[in-house]
Amino acid sequence: AQSVTQPDIHITVSEGASLELRCNYSYGATPYLFWYVQSPGQGLQLLLKYFSGDTLVQGIKGFEAEFKRSQSSFNLRKPSVHWSDAAEYFCAVDPRTGGTASKLTFGTGTRLQVTL
Amino acid sequence: NAGVTQTPKFRVLKTGQSMTLLCAQDMNHEYMYWYRQDPGMGLRLIHYSVGEGTTAKGEVPDGYNVSRLKKQNFLLGLESAAPSQTSVYFCASTTDRGPQETQYFGPGTRLLVL
Repeated sequence: AQSVTQPDIHITVSEGASLELRCNYSYGATPYLFWYVQSPGQGLQLLLKYFSGDTLVQGIKGFEAEFKRSQSSFNLRKPSVHWSDAAEYFCAVDPRTGGTASKLTFGTGTRLQVTL
Repeated sequence: NAGVTQTPKFRVLKTGQSMTLLCAQDMNHEYMYWYRQDPGMGLRLIHYSVGEGTTAKGEVPDGYNVSRLKKQNFLLGLESAAPSQTSVYFCASTTDRGPQETQYFGPGTRLLVL
């Protein structure tokens, strides 16, 4: 079955430490891949996306993600976390099943806590 | 630009009551979406629309109806609310230029059904 998996429900890192959030997908072909962030009480904001080309994608707020086809992964990274990065992070995919309508399937999210 | 706005921000309903959630966008987007967010389950697509006057079912459409009478508005209706519909509802919109386009989200409506 097609799915998006974020294996880490909750991660705690110290401010200034590096961060990696995992995302794996199970689709027949390479989907479009997205990372969104949700601050408490807010809607979702796009961090970055991948649909073709360079497998290392740069996003906003100093985040980057690397698409690895062999591992069906699209992990999100940040070299040095800031306290303001505390939020919930969602990986999402569009399966490219045809048509022009964007249809996203979301992972269950990873909640990031940052300690000072 | 206000982006995507949602009305109301919070609502409490009793089982069996009805209500309508309003989503409005000022970006001239063709596509609009309604999601629900439940703890531990991420966001799930309820219904979506690819243009004025069109709607389609998503992953979890049961118990909901939608209408897109104007391009800028997308309404989500609950005819007879159930406790299982307690959730946070998000609206999103995007262009019709392809699935790689960004979806823009509203701030959400928190619904509690007693």
